[in-house]
Amino acid sequence: AQSVTQLGSHVSVSEGALVLLRCNYSSSVPPYLFWYVQYPNQGLQLLLKYTSAATLVKGINGFEAEFKKSETSFHLTKPSAHMSDAAEYFCAVSPKTGANNLFFGTGTRLTVIP
Amino acid sequence: NAGVTQTPKFQVLKTGQSMTLQCAQDMNHEYMSWYRQDPGMGLRLIHYSVGAGITDQGEVPNGYNVSRSTTEDFPLRLLSAAPSQTSVYFCVALGDYGTEAFFGQGTRLTVV
Repeated sequence: AQSVTQLGSHVSVSEGALVLLRCNYSSSVPPYLFWYVQYPNQGLQLLLKYTSAATLVKGINGFEAEFKKSETSFHLTKPSAHMSDAAEYFCAVSPKTGANNLFFGTGTRLTVIP
Repeated sequence: NAGVTQTPKFQVLKTGQSMTLQCAQDMNHEYMSWYRQDPGMGLRLIHYSVGAGITDQGEVPNGYNVSRSTTEDFPLRLLSAAPSQTSVYFCVALGDYGTEAFFGQGTRLTVV
């Protein structure tokens, strides 16, 4: 079964500091991978996705993620945090076979300290 | 440009009541899913459908029913609401193995 683990339910960074949110997947076949962001009282917005093309994926709002097969990881980074980045972030996987579903991690809440 | 329309946005139920969360999409996607979101648990798959007339259970199906009579509509039914079903529910239409995912606005359900 597909699963994804997000290390750290809460992450705090200072404004201007590096943002690093961790995501590891478990699958014998590398799945499609996604990062979503959710602002308070809103739905989920796609940040970026990995679909077997370039391993370094650039998304919206200056975020990027690197797929590392050897580490089964897909960590999300941003060089310089902005106050507006404060939100909850979800990593998700989708298998390339079988039912077309997304499986989400438990989320990481990012706090940006001024 | 409706995408996925989910109603209602808010609902309060008493324990034991039943209700239906409506979900409709206008993009002709075969795959549709229902998720619930709870603090610290992410989004968990309740039921999904791979096309009209075909549904299957997800990770947390107990207490919920679905049907898919048309490609457009995928309602979620709570047969006898319980406080444990207090959650935020999202309907999602998916294309191409999740590489396209369209979320409804969500339903915040409280069961008292």
